[in-house]
Amino acid sequence: AQTIHQWPVAEIKAVGSPLSLGCTIKGKSSPNLYWYWQATGGTLQQLFYSITVGQVESVVQLNLSASRPKDDQFILSTEKLLLSHSGFYLCAWSLGGADEQYFGPGTRLTVL
Amino acid sequence: QQQVRQSPQSLTVWEGETAILNCSYEDSTFNYFPWYQQFPGEGPALLISIRSVSDKKEDGRFTIFFNKREKKLSLHITDSQPGDSATYFCAALPGTGSNRLTFGKGTKFSLIP
Repeated sequence: AQTIHQWPVAEIKAVGSPLSLGCTIKGKSSPNLYWYWQATGGTLQQLFYSITVGQVESVVQLNLSASRPKDDQFILSTEKLLLSHSGFYLCAWSLGGADEQYFGPGTRLTVL
Repeated sequence: QQQVRQSPQSLTVWEGETAILNCSYEDSTFNYFPWYQQFPGEGPALLISIRSVSDKKEDGRFTIFFNKREKKLSLHITDSQPGDSATYFCAALPGTGSNRLTFGKGTKFSLIP
């Protein structure tokens, strides 16, 4: 069974529209959770991390926000999409520390 | 400021050859270095990692060589196989309790058909 699930698989959205991406972790208790963004053909940029429910730390400000409503769930959102938000969004988890991070399958976002 | 640098940007070898992917860093507080393998359209997968107390880590055909003094490391892929064609990312984590994993720009690796 897959440990980490991201939804949706892909989104095409208009500039100025809202966005909500989700990530669920199965079978891991109190994981650290991370959001990354990857431009096409580019490197991975860490956006947010969370070590516990209700607590989220921002690493890079890209007019995005994140929340952790449950131990196994991490949400990435914005009220107004920009063209520059296009890319590949990846959720990752780790246990006990920030090393050994395991990534989900990602969500491909296209903003038009 | 690019804190983790990778070279070359792309690398092509013959099947069966050994490939060497390079990585260097600037922040002396980095003490954990994972390498990730990413296929197109997929999330990166943790391939192999090393801590700064070691100078070598081997896992099958993949070996990391680490030089702390020069702040350099390399990933060696021996007996390269078609299934190894992917982008490889070097990353680094400080030993300060930070949760910020910094990635290099990646090396796109492929085999000559």
